[in-house]
Amino acid sequence: DTEVTQTPKHLVMGMTNKKSLKCEQHMGHRAMYWYKQKAKKPPELMFVYSYEKLSINESVPSRFSPECPNSSLLNLHLHALQPEDSALYLCASSLAPRGAGGLGTGELFFGEGSRLTVL
Amino acid sequence: QKEVEQNSGPLSVPEGAIASLNCTYSDRVSQSFFWYRQYSGKSPELIMSIYSNGDKEDGRFTAQLNKASQYVSLLIRDSQPSDSATYLCAVGSYNTDKLIFGTGTRLQVFP
Repeated sequence: DTEVTQTPKHLVMGMTNKKSLKCEQHMGHRAMYWYKQKAKKPPELMFVYSYEKLSINESVPSRFSPECPNSSLLNLHLHALQPEDSALYLCASSLAPRGAGGLGTGELFFGEGSRLTVL
Repeated sequence: QKEVEQNSGPLSVPEGAIASLNCTYSDRVSQSFFWYRQYSGKSPELIMSIYSNGDKEDGRFTAQLNKASQYVSLLIRDSQPSDSATYLCAVGSYNTDKLIFGTGTRLQVFP
């Protein structure tokens, strides 16, 4: 089973709403990622968790708040978003981290994404 | 600024032909190289990874890496219309979980 599951697949929210995106994997992977992708652009890294600890934050605005409750789950909490935050949000995992001397291969397995529209 | 460059395309090839996709990168210490396929409206799917100079074959796909010239390529033999997608090149360095993605090449395979 090589699946990363993301919910919801589609989300529409107002600028004052609070919502969360969820990601789950049961492959025993110990690195998990959030990416943001706008139309016709490559994925942009937002956050990396290595062994459930936040290891990379790419200067993401605080209206995005990641959380890794355990090795299988990754959440992205959304609050007071702007219309320009509308995008496809991708969760990915890899077997092991590559940073901090990790021995990971760097291969990422992406979920299907959550398409977010901010009104 | 570390960069990964790809021709945006579209690259149009007839069914059954070989499609050749190219990628160049700027960081000489890059160590890991990946090709992802992304269908319109879908998420990226890993199709090839390569770490050392030379060729790596997997079915109809061959990845080629030349670190001295700082390029990596993907050949797709016997191209099918179902191969029509955007192909993203991604490059990683030692001791970091951050991949640098190229902007992707759109491939169109026509019957």
